[in-house]
Amino acid sequence: EPEVTQTPSHQVTQMGQEVILRCVPISNHLYFYWYRQILGQKVEFLVSFYNNEISEKSEIFDDQFSVERPDGSNFTLKIRSTKLEDSAMYFCASTRDLSGANVLTFGAGSRLTVL
Amino acid sequence: AQSVTQLGSHVSVSEGALVLLRCNYSSSVPPYLFWYVQYPNQGLQLLLKYTSAATLVKGINGFEAEFKKSETSFHLTKPSAHMSDAAEYFCAVRLTGGFKTIFGAGTRLFVKA
Repeated sequence: EPEVTQTPSHQVTQMGQEVILRCVPISNHLYFYWYRQILGQKVEFLVSFYNNEISEKSEIFDDQFSVERPDGSNFTLKIRSTKLEDSAMYFCASTRDLSGANVLTFGAGSRLTVL
Repeated sequence: AQSVTQLGSHVSVSEGALVLLRCNYSSSVPPYLFWYVQYPNQGLQLLLKYTSAATLVKGINGFEAEFKKSETSFHLTKPSAHMSDAAEYFCAVRLTGGFKTIFGAGTRLFVKA
């Protein structure tokens, strides 16, 4: 069964450092997403990406965040200058289209710890 | 704007007992509704979805949910809990044609032997 893969599974970084989280969505999917889950809290939408541009973003997704699809397979989330409150599990997800028949398929997540 | 409310951050049941996890949504138009499960240190896995077909939706692992428009609810049930059902459950909503899926705060299910 096709799956969304994320790397790294866990990253520890110092406050102020740049972090790039990587995702390989399912190959025939066209819509890509990043979600965040702070420990013990809800899953929060960060950004959606379609046709090589951001289609929607949340208030959380400020200028410190950026997304990119540098090639035909990878989808990355960059945090330019990490803060302590960026510590969370970051989930990548993808879907083929926006019909009800297709749902988000999530990766296993990347745990980011900012010290 | 759509939103999701899950009543009860923690639910505890005995093995073999009925599981009922509550979800209410707010949406200006009939949305798509989902239940996801998250096991410890894992990603989210789809349990079931409602997409305006049958109002009673059956999912994996014996779970089902009923869409009730008059109550704006989409509660998740399972007749008999199993120890392996212990996990976090998230209700989610997406507008038809909308880009983003909004998740509820989650309900952690504990199953006692």
